[in-house]
Amino acid sequence: EVQLVQSGAEMKKPGESLKISCQGSGYRFSDNWLVWVRQMPGRGLEWMGIIYPDDSYTRYSPAFQGQVTISADRSINTAYLEWSSLRASDTAMYYCARVTRIATGVPLSSDPWGQGTLVTVSS
Amino acid sequence: QSALTQPPSASGSLGQSVTMSCTGTSSDVGAYSYVSWYQQHPGKAPKLILYGVRTRPSGVPDRFSGSKSGNTASLTVSGLQADDEAVYFCTSYAANNNLLSGGGTYLTVL
Repeated sequence: EVQLVQSGAEMKKPGESLKISCQGSGYRFSDNWLVWVRQMPGRGLEWMGIIYPDDSYTRYSPAFQGQVTISADRSINTAYLEWSSLRASDTAMYYCARVTRIATGVPLSSDPWGQGTLVTVSS
Repeated sequence: QSALTQPPSASGSLGQSVTMSCTGTSSDVGAYSYVSWYQQHPGKAPKLILYGVRTRPSGVPDRFSGSKSGNTASLTVSGLQADDEAVYFCTSYAANNNLLSGGGTYLTVL
């Protein structure tokens, strides 16, 4: 069974750093693009960036370029999403998902998804 | 405000059909056959139910179907079941090499 398991919920203060993870199993993790998606309450699905774990090639959505860092460790089938200085506006649910179709570096469709990591940033 | 427009709610009775819309522009939905639909039950992760406008991934029942006309894509759920009650999101590739999303439609099964 293809599965993505994410790290647990986080509660942080503004200005703190954070790195959340997403571990894949049941498929060739290195050979499949992976996307990180932000979902804010009552809002749509915002793609943040994608990574190809085999060589860690990464492309960011224009809206998130410079705001986060995506990385991967193919030896442990794990991808990461990292912030160096959190803001209250980063409060959201974050999902990772395996990209099933891609065009010109844009993830057209993704499945399955991880269970989500809720990040809360509050003073 | 989301880039693609979806009505916030829709409803249908058990066994009936309901169609949900996703409206974009001639630079995204209207220009490409790269519309996907996701189903999200409350408190759960999204699940892909259609891609390429009308193609169902393995395991998705044929009660779910998709179409597109001009700048509007549509998702039809036929033979409504209680478990179909969820939020449905559409996404589309856009000409500026980006992926746009709708705000989601909450489907209530009566």
